Amino acid sequence: AQKVTQAQTEISVVEKEDVTLDCVYETRDTTYYLFWYKQPPSGELVFLIRRNSFDEQNEISGRYSWNFQKSTSSFNFTITASQVVDSAVYFCALRANFGNEKLTFGTGTRLTIIP
Amino acid sequence: ETGVTQTPRHLVMGMTNKKSLKCEQHLGHNAMYWYKQSAKKPLELMFVYNFKEQTENNSVPSRFSPECPNSSHLFLHLHTLQPEDSALYLCASSQDPRKETQYFGPGTRLLVL
Repeated sequence: AQKVTQAQTEISVVEKEDVTLDCVYETRDTTYYLFWYKQPPSGELVFLIRRNSFDEQNEISGRYSWNFQKSTSSFNFTITASQVVDSAVYFCALRANFGNEKLTFGTGTRLTIIP
Repeated sequence: ETGVTQTPRHLVMGMTNKKSLKCEQHLGHNAMYWYKQSAKKPLELMFVYNFKEQTENNSVPSRFSPECPNSSHLFLHLHTLQPEDSALYLCASSQDPRKETQYFGPGTRLLVL
């Protein structure tokens, strides 16, 4: 069985602060993919990143960075110098690499950036 | 249009009504999905279609009936729904359900009275 836990239900930070969103996962599969999606108020889930379990290198994309640690089954997401446009619900998700097509989502973290 | 589009964006229906949700993807993908997003719950996968064939039905009640006439279009036919079916219904597509990233549409926000 797969499970994704996003323990932070809601986070508020003042604009320009850095913020980290936590994601912890459980899976019995040896190979899998991890994802982060952003859901702004408009409703659409916007794909941010996909990480293969073989690749433990951290990734940076502009103000966004992701820290994948297989030893602790975590895939955390950091926004540097946050902006009001970053306000959204962020979802972490997991899918096995073989067999099951199902994408398992966490319950999401609502991030509010205060101007 | 690009990406994944969904219509209508908002829908209010009575429990005895019949309505349909439409999803169209312009990405050349082969797989399409329906998800349900209720308040304070994880996204729930409802159906998966790959090359127009249904490959997964995640124990969805029969009052939800999907239809996939081709790889670009996906419908969700609704009849005799319950108030607890009120939710955001999201459509997604991917090149291959086993490997590739899913891209989502904006969703249809459904209210059942």
